[in-house]
Amino acid sequence: DAGVIQSPRHEVTEMGQEVTLRCKPISGHNSLFWYRQTMMRGLELLIYFNNNVPIDDSGMPEDRFSAKMPNASFSTLKIQPSEPRDSAVYFCASSFSDRYLAKNIQYFGAGTRLSVL
Amino acid sequence: AQKITQTQPGMFVQEKEAVTLDCTYDTSDQSYGLFWYKQPSSGEMIFLIYQGSYDEQNATEGRYSLNFQKARKSANLVISASQLGDSAMYFCAMREPLNTGGFKTIFGAGTRLFVKA
Repeated sequence: DAGVIQSPRHEVTEMGQEVTLRCKPISGHNSLFWYRQTMMRGLELLIYFNNNVPIDDSGMPEDRFSAKMPNASFSTLKIQPSEPRDSAVYFCASSFSDRYLAKNIQYFGAGTRLSVL
Repeated sequence: AQKITQTQPGMFVQEKEAVTLDCTYDTSDQSYGLFWYKQPSSGEMIFLIYQGSYDEQNATEGRYSLNFQKARKSANLVISASQLGDSAMYFCAMREPLNTGGFKTIFGAGTRLFVKA
């Protein structure tokens, strides 16, 4: 069974350019999470969706970041315009979430390493 | 205030010995979940083990066990018979319910484990 698939694996772009990161969650999972990992701040939750609806976007840094989940099998995280401080590894994770089942193990994709020059 | 505290930034262990990675957490909820993830140098996040707040038995998964002490709010990971491939970053995480009805997962800063031959 395929895991969480992220693309691209690496992205190098120039400041001011638009960046789009993509994620395909595990089939059957109904929750999707976007995280950002940096040395300084560790692993931060940016946004999470449940049944394609954004539930918590309090971690989205600013208006330059936006995320969509048009259907159960695809999500995007967009940064426009990108800045050097956005350089990080971005992870997508998915889980099957039942509010009465706290287990809800999140399975992570391989991550996208973003470098903004 | 830190919700998840991992006090050991780095640890060394001799191959074939057991090692304990510390994790303490802070929550006022009765229902929550605790997780450990491994992040090797290749960067992916690998789920290791889960403990529910209502589980009476400590969780075990192969060489991994979770020493859950609810009153002390600690969830230490024990790796038995360490192998060179265990060298990695280890993250403790907690999942707790949100007032909105969703869940939030918070990660600790991680402990880097070095296994010596």
